[in-house]
Formats: sequence, structure tokens, C-alpha cells
Amino acid sequence: GDSVTQMEGPVTLSEEAFLTINCTYTATGYPSLFWYVQYPGEGLQLLLKATKADDKGSNKGFEATYRKETTSFHLEKGSVQVSDSAVYFCALKRMNRDDKIIFGKGTRLHILP
Amino acid sequence: KAGVTQTPRYLIKTRGQQVTLSCSPISGHRSVSWYQQTPGQGLQFLFEYFSETQRNKGNFPGRFSGRQFSNSRSEMNVSTLELGDSALYLCASSLEGTGKETQYFGPGTRLLVL
Repeated sequence: GDSVTQMEGPVTLSEEAFLTINCTYTATGYPSLFWYVQYPGEGLQLLLKATKADDKGSNKGFEATYRKETTSFHLEKGSVQVSDSAVYFCALKRMNRDDKIIFGKGTRLHILP
Repeated sequence: KAGVTQTPRYLIKTRGQQVTLSCSPISGHRSVSWYQQTPGQGLQFLFEYFSETQRNKGNFPGRFSGRQFSNSRSEMNVSTLELGDSALYLCASSLEGTGKETQYFGPGTRLLVL
């Protein structure tokens, strides 16, 4: 079945460091790919998405490119801030089917001032 | 426009009891999905409702059930609670549930089973 694998955390970085969180997926067909973020004590917020191969999703300085050849959707940010500390989830959804989202296990990110 | 709301936000129950959680989607949204989040299993899909019909169901025992009302509000029920049901329960809504629209998540209901 469809699945998402992302790097395990926690990931600890200093402020202004470069961030990469790896994510790979297994899916039949052509899923949509997402990154969600969960701040402490809150629900999930959509960070960015990409719906087809080579699409780049971006938001708040974060970027991820849909790579069909490597079935990957790695999250990157050039200069992280303390406020980026949160749990990040990579996820997929089958297009034109339903709203079921398959999530990765999540990666906790700590940014040190 | 108000976001997705979930009530109650926190709940403590004992084993064997049952619980009902409520989710009010964004106005105009007709699809509501439920997820269970635990430290061990992560985020797992429970079920999806659209126009008062369950359209999709995850791999959970029959103790987990849900329904959707004509105003799109949804409830989920867990009967005969077990310790392992302690989790954050999240609901999400979208306009038509086609898979193409953005889903918006509520803040969740944190359930503790003692």
C-alpha cells in the first residue's frame, strides 16, 4: 500500500542554519505530496504542497520539489529561525480519489538561538 | 471565516467507558475526516464522511464509529475505551473531498484513558 518515510528526529540546529528533512514515498499512480507542520499544543497546518512531478511547493521560506524519479519530496529551508521549532510531517494523498492523507511519522525540529 | 472547531479540547475517561467527540467543519465544507495521533503510531486515518455518508474507513476496530449530520458537523464515538485509545484526535475538513482541495485541520481533542 501507499506509504511515506521521513527521517527520524529530533533534528537540532542553530539559528540561521540550513535545513533538510528527507522524505520518500511509495504510491500507485500520481499522488499529491504535502508537508504539514504542528506547533506545540496545536493541530496541523499545511506548510506547502505539490501536485505533479517537478512541481516546487514553497511557503515561509520552506521549499520542496516533487521528484518522481527518486520518489522524494525533501523539505529545505536556507536559514531557520527559533520559531520554526515544531514537528514536520510529510504526507501524500491520492488525487481525485478522496481526502485520505497518509502521513510519515513526523520529524521534530529544535532550533537553538 | 471560522476555522475547524473541535470539542471538547481535553477529555479524561476510564477504561470501559465510551466517548463522543465533535467536529464542526469550516462553513461550506462538506467533507470531514478524522485522524488519530499517538507517539507510537503517528497520524492514522480513521474515517471520512461526505454528505452524511462514510466514504472511507481506516484500519481501526469496530469500537470506533462516526457519523455526519446534515449541517456537515461530525461526531466520532469510541466505545469500551482501552488505555491505547489515549491520543490526540484530529479532524479536518474540505469543500468537496475530491482529494484536490486543501484540507484544514482543527486543534484536536486530547483524550486520556485511565
